Amino acid sequence: DIVMTQTPLSSPVTLGQPASFSCRSSQSLVHSDGNTYLNWLHQRPGQPPRLLIYQISNRFSGVPDRFSGSGAGTDFTLKIRRVEPEDVGVYSCMQTTEFPYTFGQGTNLEI
Amino acid sequence: EVQLVESGGGLVKSGGSLRLSCAASGFTLSSSTMHWLRQAPGKGLEWVSSTGSSYNYIHYADSVKGRFIMSRDRAKNSLYLQMNSLRAEDTAVYYCARDWVDSGDSVNFGDVWGKGTTVTVSS
Repeated sequence: DIVMTQTPLSSPVTLGQPASFSCRSSQSLVHSDGNTYLNWLHQRPGQPPRLLIYQISNRFSGVPDRFSGSGAGTDFTLKIRRVEPEDVGVYSCMQTTEFPYTFGQGTNLEI
Repeated sequence: EVQLVESGGGLVKSGGSLRLSCAASGFTLSSSTMHWLRQAPGKGLEWVSSTGSSYNYIHYADSVKGRFIMSRDRAKNSLYLQMNSLRAEDTAVYYCARDWVDSGDSVNFGDVWGKGTTVTVSS
């Protein structure tokens, strides 16, 4: 199974400041179709997760442009340019390149 | 509006069974790859099972293989998860989610999620 490792596990930030989350996979996430199925999800307390970023760097519909994803192969990063109050919650990376799909432990963004 | 609504959760004793449902609206569930995921209290997300849109596969996590069965009903536009031989470690909120196709015809995960249904297994 592909192991996803996120750092840090907790990230205290100040409103208006940037935030960054790292995710590393135990093996390459490049699919046989050439795409890399690395996703970032955001979960606010008491709510279901929602898709933020797909295929490393593509913002899902409706996601503000202050969110950006980058990386390749086994190392990936999610950045928030300027943190806003609604950004609190847990950010999880997830690979859907191969079964079993696996998640990182999640990073808790605290303001 | 495209929506997924889970139901069927509850309190069950260890060794018991439950059947979760995921009702789809606004789209044809049988045309989509569908997933079950779960989240134990205070823990991270865990993928449980997936079924392809063409009924060409069903995959299960090792932790549920042989105990859980995923199925769908075209007529009811619904997805199911039959959970047998339940254990305390199956206690979680269970979510269903679907795949979607982007402008490049790539199939991506999780544009729509349900709100979840809670399963509690007592020992």
